[in-house]
Amino acid sequence: DADVTQTPRNRITKTGKRIMLECSQTKGHDRMYWYRQDPGLGLRLIYYSFDVKDINKGEISDGYSVSRQAQAKFSLSLESAIPNQTALYFCATSDYIAGDTDTQYFGPGTRLTVL
Amino acid sequence: AQSVTQPDIHITVSEGASLELRCNYSYGATPYLFWYVQSPGQGLQLLLKYFSGDTLVQGIKGFEAEFKRSQSSFNLRKPSVHWSDAAEYFCAVINTGGFKTIFGAGTRLFVKA
Repeated sequence: DADVTQTPRNRITKTGKRIMLECSQTKGHDRMYWYRQDPGLGLRLIYYSFDVKDINKGEISDGYSVSRQAQAKFSLSLESAIPNQTALYFCATSDYIAGDTDTQYFGPGTRLTVL
Repeated sequence: AQSVTQPDIHITVSEGASLELRCNYSYGATPYLFWYVQSPGQGLQLLLKYFSGDTLVQGIKGFEAEFKRSQSSFNLRKPSVHWSDAAEYFCAVINTGGFKTIFGAGTRLFVKA
């Protein structure tokens, strides 16, 4: 089974609808992240969380919100979807180890289309 | 602010040929550097990373990368490309404090027979 799972894998919705993307992990990592990927722009950080009580905005948080329901679960919500939120969304986890680097482990992605 | 530049949007190489993907970073201190690969329809997977020690690092799938501080570069290389290497490759740097990874825009690799 995959260590980081995302649901749904694909979603088509309409402008103004509320959408939730879910992420679950079995790696036991404390740190979780949400990114969006757009062609030519790489990955941009939306939100990140270092533990259940810690939520931080990334570089493009406007129009998004998150919830860290448990160590293993981190959800991303679009309260009122708009077409320019059409993108590929990735969840990632990491486990910082002192003296080592913060390698990230990615889910398979959710392709979201907002019409 | 830290940044990562991948000058090549896409590269095409013949199967069996050598490969070099370029990455330049902007960072005030010794950076932590990564290369990730994204195969079609999948998430990103770590190829290799550098944070100290030997400036030539070996990764999975026969890839290596060399950290050159004087050139602010961390180029990815492979001596002989296989058709299965066709994917998008991302260079990344981790910021001061080690809690945000900053990604380049990616280089898409095409492999021709």
